[in-house]
Amino acid sequence: DSGVTQTPKHLITATGQRVTLRCSPRSGDLSVYWYQQSLDQGLQFLIQYYNGEERAKGNILERFSAQQFPDLHSELNLSSLELGDSALYFCASSVGYRDQPQHFGDGTRLSIL
Amino acid sequence: EDQVTQSPEALRLQEGESSSLNCSYTVSGLRGLFWYRQDPGKGPEFLFTLYSAGEEKEKERLKATLTKKESFLHITAPKPEDSATYLCAVQAYGDDKIIFGKGTRLHILP
Repeated sequence: DSGVTQTPKHLITATGQRVTLRCSPRSGDLSVYWYQQSLDQGLQFLIQYYNGEERAKGNILERFSAQQFPDLHSELNLSSLELGDSALYFCASSVGYRDQPQHFGDGTRLSIL
Repeated sequence: EDQVTQSPEALRLQEGESSSLNCSYTVSGLRGLFWYRQDPGKGPEFLFTLYSAGEEKEKERLKATLTKKESFLHITAPKPEDSATYLCAVQAYGDDKIIFGKGTRLHILP
């Protein structure tokens, strides 16, 4: 058990809809990262927050947004969903934001019908 | 552009048959290289961090090494429970994001 909790585990929705994925980091970790994993693309970095502030941005679409709250949990919002957004979405956390091993949750599987 | 390439894509070994997985990277300046193990339906599990060429880390049957252009994950006398996808990732100086390779799917036959 990594200590990182992601909810929900599975999500099925339709094109055009909006969903929110939630992540609770390990106790004591201040950084939260979001990744998208699909079969052909591998693990793609989306965005990172450290202690409530955005630290780094990857290939995150404008339809996607995230935030980290004062209690350090994070939410990833996906809107105007398309079929190609179907993937596994992982959250990871670490103590700091450099040279730090990341601890991953078990992901949310998003299926767009 | 920073890049990570892992080879082979998939590897099947007999139990006890040692081998190595490769991770080639191109970054402007390496801050750290990470190895993870991922089981089906699970998130990646951290294995090692390497920081500079010549560094080695060991854990049970796994040993990770680092040169200026690549890293190797050596698996000695593997067991079926070592079957998983092994992911390599790098972080560059001046950039906090982590870039992952596509992984090597390792299958150990009993």
